[in-house]
Amino acid sequence: SQTIHQWPATLVQPVGSPLSLECTVEGTSNPNLYWYRQAAGRGLQLLFYSVGIGQISSEVPQNLSASRPQDRQFILSSKKLLLSDSGFYLCAWRGWKGNTIYFGEGSWLTVV
Amino acid sequence: EDQVTQSPEALRLQEGESSSLNCSYTVSGLRGLFWYRQDPGKGPEFLFTLYSAGEEKEKERLKATLTKKESFLHITAPKPEDSATYLCAVQANRDDKIIFGKGTRLHILP
Repeated sequence: SQTIHQWPATLVQPVGSPLSLECTVEGTSNPNLYWYRQAAGRGLQLLFYSVGIGQISSEVPQNLSASRPQDRQFILSSKKLLLSDSGFYLCAWRGWKGNTIYFGEGSWLTVV
Repeated sequence: EDQVTQSPEALRLQEGESSSLNCSYTVSGLRGLFWYRQDPGKGPEFLFTLYSAGEEKEKERLKATLTKKESFLHITAPKPEDSATYLCAVQANRDDKIIFGKGTRLHILP
């Protein structure tokens, strides 16, 4: 069966520091991968999605970036965090045959 | 632009009191409409996928229906453990983006 892992689960970072959140999927190949952010009152905001290695689509202009160095690995990064980057970050995957996306457990980021 | 609007934002029901949550959508060519349940501090849990108007799916006390403009999540005789945020999302035929509504926070009182 397929599983998705996200880490770290929680982190507290100072303003201006870098960020790296990692997501890996097991039990499938060539998945579509997604990064969402969930802030209070704004619902799930799509940040990036990827249909293959090295292929990244950005939905929201901001100081975040994403990379997909391997088929089942998706990384969310920032060079300098802002206070407004605080939130709950969710990684999700979709199999190449199906339509449904499945989520990881999320990463809580607090920028102080 | 694709849009998903969920109502109400929050709903409080007594245990056993049936109700419906609404998801109105605007999308150019619907590939699929999705319902998820999210507990506090957790990732969303998949409930249903609907593909075409008239389609219905059921799971325990939940039933999802779909028309050309909206979807309903019917909750029959809810229990306190059904308390959660329910999220609706859509995917268009033209790309791989999946757009979510802001959700409905459901609280079932014992």
